[in-house]
This record gives sequence, C-alpha cells and structure tokens, in this order.
Amino acid sequence: SAVISQKPSRDICQRGTSLTIQCQVDSQVTMMFWYRQQPGQSLTLIATANQGSEATYESGFVIDKFPISRPNLTFSTLTVSNLSPEDSSIYLCSVEDLRRGYNEQFFGPGTRLTVL
Amino acid sequence: AQSVSQHNHHVILSEAASLELGCNYSYGGTVNLFWYVQYPGQHLQLLLKYFSGDPLVKGIKGFEAEFIKSKFSFNLRKPSVQWSDTAEYFCAVNARRGSTLGRLYFGRGTQLTVWP
Repeated sequence: SAVISQKPSRDICQRGTSLTIQCQVDSQVTMMFWYRQQPGQSLTLIATANQGSEATYESGFVIDKFPISRPNLTFSTLTVSNLSPEDSSIYLCSVEDLRRGYNEQFFGPGTRLTVL
Repeated sequence: AQSVSQHNHHVILSEAASLELGCNYSYGGTVNLFWYVQYPGQHLQLLLKYFSGDPLVKGIKGFEAEFIKSKFSFNLRKPSVQWSDTAEYFCAVNARRGSTLGRLYFGRGTQLTVWP
C-alpha cells in the first residue's frame, strides 16, 4: 500500500491569508487527488493533481482559490487562498495507481484547517 | 452526477450486537463500491470493495457487504460488533473509466459507537 504524509497536520489561520498543504507519497503514483471534508459533511473532491500540467477541478472549485502544484510523481501541494471561516475543513490527499495494483484510493491523515 | 446516501448518521450499539449500515447510490451504469473506515485519530482506510463477481464481499475485521444491483444498495454488515469497531464509516462509489478509478463519491458517513 502507499504511505502518505501531509503537512501541516493542523493550522489556525486568519481571514484573508493563505495556507499551503503538502502531500508526500512514499512511491511514485499516477493519480493524486485533493478532497475537502467540511464539518458534518461527506468528503468532496476538489481536484485531480496532474503531474506536469494544470490540475483538473471539480464543479464549484476554481484554480484561483485552490491552486495546486504537482512537480513530480510523489509530491503535491494544495493552497487554500484568501481564507474565510467557510474554508474551515479537513483537507485530504489521496492517491491511486492501477498500474501498481493500487486499485483503491489511499488517503493521507488530513490537514485540519481552522479560519478565524 | 452520482450521489451516495447513508441512512444512519449515528448508530449506537452494545458489544455483540449485529450491525447493518445502509448505503444507496444513484448511478445507472457500472459502478465500483467501497466502504472506508476512520478510527479515532487515524487515516481513512479501506474496509472492503466490490468491483465485480460475487455480490457478497468480505472485508477486514469480520465485515461484509452485499451489493444488490436492483436496489442500488451496498449495505455493510457485521454479525457481532466489538468496542474497537467504534469509528466513522463511509460508503463510496465511482464509475471506472479507462486507466483510472476516477473520482470517488462519498456518503456523509455513519458514526458507530459501541458500548462495552
């Protein structure tokens, strides 16, 4: 299985600032995803992080608010920009790679963001 | 768009009681189905999955789930729960496309509390 780490594990930020979350995988994987889990809600996909090209965003999520980088096959960052209290959530990174037999999505521990 | 419904938001049981958590999805095509579990303070991890074949699938820790295509359901069961099963359970579905599993659609989750 893939082992995923995320930094930071939690943060408290002021309104209007930005937070960048890092996701590191212990092996090269094809697909990396970013999810959001708002309090009392299910997990919602923000975007698919594509290596070497722009991320693919889901409806309701835009690059200006959630810029994503994926410089290689083991690392990605998600930035949550111009923070507001509505952005308070847990943000999770996940990976899959069918070629390596990873026919499930593995999840990182999540980053708990609180915006004041 | 696909959607996933989990009927029970919070379930409270005594040890040795039987468990059934409901999950229904809306999608007319071929789906892959998953149950994930999140123990307190831990990552989301896969409990079991259904891709094809026998609709009764067995997962880790004595859990099983039955895919009933005509009912668009994938209910999770365990004949006798333990205190250590206290966790949040998420049902998820996706429609496989080509070389990727594609995005997962999650239910809102069911918090299971087992009293010793």
